[in-house]
Amino acid sequence: AQKVTQAQTEISVVEKEDVTLDCVYETRDTTYYLFWYKQPPSGELVFLIRRNSFDEQNEISGRYSWNFQKSTSSFNFTITASQVVDSAVYFCALNQAGTALIFGKGTTLSVSS
Amino acid sequence: SAVISQKPSRDICQRGTSLTIQCQVDSQVTMMFWYRQQPGQSLTLIATANQGSEATYESGFVIDKFPISRPNLTFSTLTVSNMSPEDSSIYLCSVAGGQDYGYTFGSGTRLTVV
Repeated sequence: AQKVTQAQTEISVVEKEDVTLDCVYETRDTTYYLFWYKQPPSGELVFLIRRNSFDEQNEISGRYSWNFQKSTSSFNFTITASQVVDSAVYFCALNQAGTALIFGKGTTLSVSS
Repeated sequence: SAVISQKPSRDICQRGTSLTIQCQVDSQVTMMFWYRQQPGQSLTLIATANQGSEATYESGFVIDKFPISRPNLTFSTLTVSNMSPEDSSIYLCSVAGGQDYGYTFGSGTRLTVV
């Protein structure tokens, strides 16, 4: 069975701090995909990234970066120089091609000014 | 990437009644997924809907309570039947084929049952 664990329920930081959101996954499949979504207070789900199991290169997009390590089954997300607008719930998710996403419980990030 | 129009965006319903939620996609998609997000919780998959066949339900969800229609490759409905306050949640539909291979989600239906 597939499972995603986000052990951090809530994180609070002050603006400009760096913050890392942890994601650990379980799957028996050799081919799988990992995702991060942002859900701001308005409620919509915003896609951030998809990673396939064969690509362990780290990804950087502006202030966002992702570290994928198959050895530890982790796909962690770092926000550099956090801003108030980063306050949201962040979900890590997992799937096989074409199947539904399995979500972690989410991490609520609060960034104060 | 696919764009989903989900209706209604919110509703307040009396217990014992039913609500039908619609999702219209601007392109043809093979599978559509329906999720429930209870207050303060993560997203839980209700069912997967393929066109032309019965939906496949996850454990804990049954067709009598959550009947799903998938008449064509761009449209699906989810009905929440015989509602109780415990059904108060956000319901979302989703399809594959978003930007950069992400999954696209509808804007959600915020349901309150009183």
